Amino acid sequence: GAGVSQSPSNKVTEKGKDVELRCDPISGHTALYWYRQRLGQGLEFLIYFQGNSAPDKSGLPSDRFSAERTGESVSTLTIQRTQQEDSAVYLCASSLAPTNNSPLHFGNGTRLTVT
Amino acid sequence: RKEVEQDPGPFNVPEGATVAFNCTYSNSASQSFFWYRQDCRKEPKLLMSVYSSGNEDGRFTAQLNRASQYISLLIRDSKLSDSATYLCVVTPNAGNNRKLIWGLGTSLAVNP
Repeated sequence: GAGVSQSPSNKVTEKGKDVELRCDPISGHTALYWYRQRLGQGLEFLIYFQGNSAPDKSGLPSDRFSAERTGESVSTLTIQRTQQEDSAVYLCASSLAPTNNSPLHFGNGTRLTVT
Repeated sequence: RKEVEQDPGPFNVPEGATVAFNCTYSNSASQSFFWYRQDCRKEPKLLMSVYSSGNEDGRFTAQLNRASQYISLLIRDSKLSDSATYLCVVTPNAGNNRKLIWGLGTSLAVNP
C-alpha cells in the first residue's frame, strides 16, 4: 500500500516568510510524528499526535512552529517568519498504534532551505 | 550521560566482513528497541526490532543486554549496499511510543 507521503519534497523560501509542510500518513495509522534533521545531525523530535488526544508539542523549538492534524489523517506543520536556522529536512512518520512495538514509517521528508 | 549513545564511526570494512555496533541506553526501564538504517539524504527505514531473546534476519542479528543496558547489531558477510548510517531507537516508557529516543547513528562504509 501507499507509504507516508510528504509535500513539497523541496522548499526554498526567503527569511521571514511562512511555510506550510504537509504529511499524509499511512491509512489506519493513529500515531503521527514530526521530526527535524539538520545536515549531518540526528533526529530532533518536534511534535506527536495520537488519535484525538492532545498533541505532545514538547519538541517545538519556538512559538513560530505549529502543527495540526485532522482526525487521523493529514497533518500540516507551519513555520512562521522563517529563519535561516530553520533550514533542515522535516520528516513525518506514522505508526499503527502508540504501543511500544509499533515501528515508525517515515515519509521522504521536506527539504527546507531558508535564504 | 546521553539517553542513547552510539559510536559515530565511521566503520570502514571490506566486503564480506563481519561488523558489529553497540548502542547504550541510560534508562533501565526502557521497553522497546529498534534498529533503523538511514541512507545518505534519505529517510530512516526500519531494519529490525530487537527482542529480549535476540533475533536474526538473514545476515543481521540483533541482541539486547538488559544487565549492561545496550543493544547490538551484527552484520555478517557485509555487502556494498549495507553502507549507511545505523540508528538505534529506544522507547523509555511502557505502553506508548510517545517519547522515542533516537541515537545519532553509526556510519558504516563497506568497501570493495
